Amino acid sequence: GDSVTQMEGPVTLSEEAFLTINCTYTATGYPSLFWYVQYPGEGLQLLLKATKADDKGSNKGFEATYRKETTSFHLEKGSVQVSDSAVYFCAATRGAQKLVFGQGTRLTINP
Amino acid sequence: DADVTQTPRNRITKTGKRIMLECSQTKGHDRMYWYRQDPGLGLRLIYYSFDVKDINKGEISDGYSVSRQAQAKFSLSLESAIPNQTALYFCATRTGGAVTDTQYFGPGTRLTVL
Repeated sequence: GDSVTQMEGPVTLSEEAFLTINCTYTATGYPSLFWYVQYPGEGLQLLLKATKADDKGSNKGFEATYRKETTSFHLEKGSVQVSDSAVYFCAATRGAQKLVFGQGTRLTINP
Repeated sequence: DADVTQTPRNRITKTGKRIMLECSQTKGHDRMYWYRQDPGLGLRLIYYSFDVKDINKGEISDGYSVSRQAQAKFSLSLESAIPNQTALYFCATRTGGAVTDTQYFGPGTRLTVL
């Protein structure tokens, strides 16, 4: 069935470091792909999305490119800040109505 | 004001008790969802609704029931709570039925069953 696999966490980086969180998916057809972020004590917020192959989603300095050939949607940021500390979820549409989520990656940025 | 609200935000209850979690939205979306979040498992879908008359089971619906009282309200019930239902519960809404549409999440309800 459809599934999303994320890089194992937790991830700890120093401020201004480069970030990559890997995400791969298995799905029938061509799902839309999403990254959600969950800050401490809050719900999930959409960070970025891409709806077709080779699309690049971007927001708040984060980027992810929809790679159909490798079924991947890796999240990247060139210079992380302490305020980026959160849990990040990759997700893919399952059919037209539902989302399937990865297990989440906890990111901690140290000053 | 938040577009998707959940009440209560925290709840501690005992095994066997009936619990209702409530979700309200002001986004005007037809589609609403209930998820639970467990550490290391991401979010799993419990139930979803496309409109007031359309309720569907998700992947982990056993032990749960829902009610869509109006377009804006979607409640999740645990008829007889058990400890392995301790989790963080999220309500979400969605703009429409297209593959590209986004889901919007409430702040979550932390439920502890003793």
